Amino acid sequence: AQSVAQPEDQVNVAEGNPLTVKCTYSVSGNPYLFWYVQYPNRGLQFLLKYITGDNLVKGSYGFEAEFNKSQTSFHLKKPSALVSDSALYFCAVSLEGFKTIFGAGTRLFVKA
Amino acid sequence: GAVVSQHPSWVICKSGTSVKIECRSLDFQATTMFWYRQFPKQSLMLMATSNEGSKATYEQGVEKDKFLINHASLTLSTLTVTSAHPEDSSFYICSALGVNTEAFFGQGTRLTVV
Repeated sequence: AQSVAQPEDQVNVAEGNPLTVKCTYSVSGNPYLFWYVQYPNRGLQFLLKYITGDNLVKGSYGFEAEFNKSQTSFHLKKPSALVSDSALYFCAVSLEGFKTIFGAGTRLFVKA
Repeated sequence: GAVVSQHPSWVICKSGTSVKIECRSLDFQATTMFWYRQFPKQSLMLMATSNEGSKATYEQGVEKDKFLINHASLTLSTLTVTSAHPEDSSFYICSALGVNTEAFFGQGTRLTVV
């Protein structure tokens, strides 16, 4: 079955420190991979995507993600976290027919 | 980027009534839209795929007679929750597929059934 896994329910990091939010996937074929951020009672905001090309993808708000085909991972990273980065982050994969399935979400807390 | 607008942002309705949620692509045409449901502190679950001019395709376990989807134009899809009950209270989010196959999400609709 095709799936997306975010192994951490929550990630805590101090402001100014680097952050990583993990994501692994299991899909057939070449995946389209995405990261979204959600603030309370709000919809999803697109951060970045990988479709093809360079494995390191740069996105909005200083975020980046690295596609690793051998490890089937697409971890989200940021060199220096901000308190305002605190939110719920979803990894997602687009399947045939462009249906998107989401990971369970990881709540990021950045402490000042 | 492309804009998808959902209306209303929040709604409170009485048990047994029906509620319609609209999803509009404001600056692009979307032949395909998707409807998701999100319970508190949980991920988004795909409910159905809405294709313009044809019947929606529902995911397993989603009651098509309860969650009516209409995609009458290239810029509008509607989700109607019929005979709503408190257990239908949830956050509903739509997305519209753009020309480059990227999905753009609406801001979501918080439904509370009392």
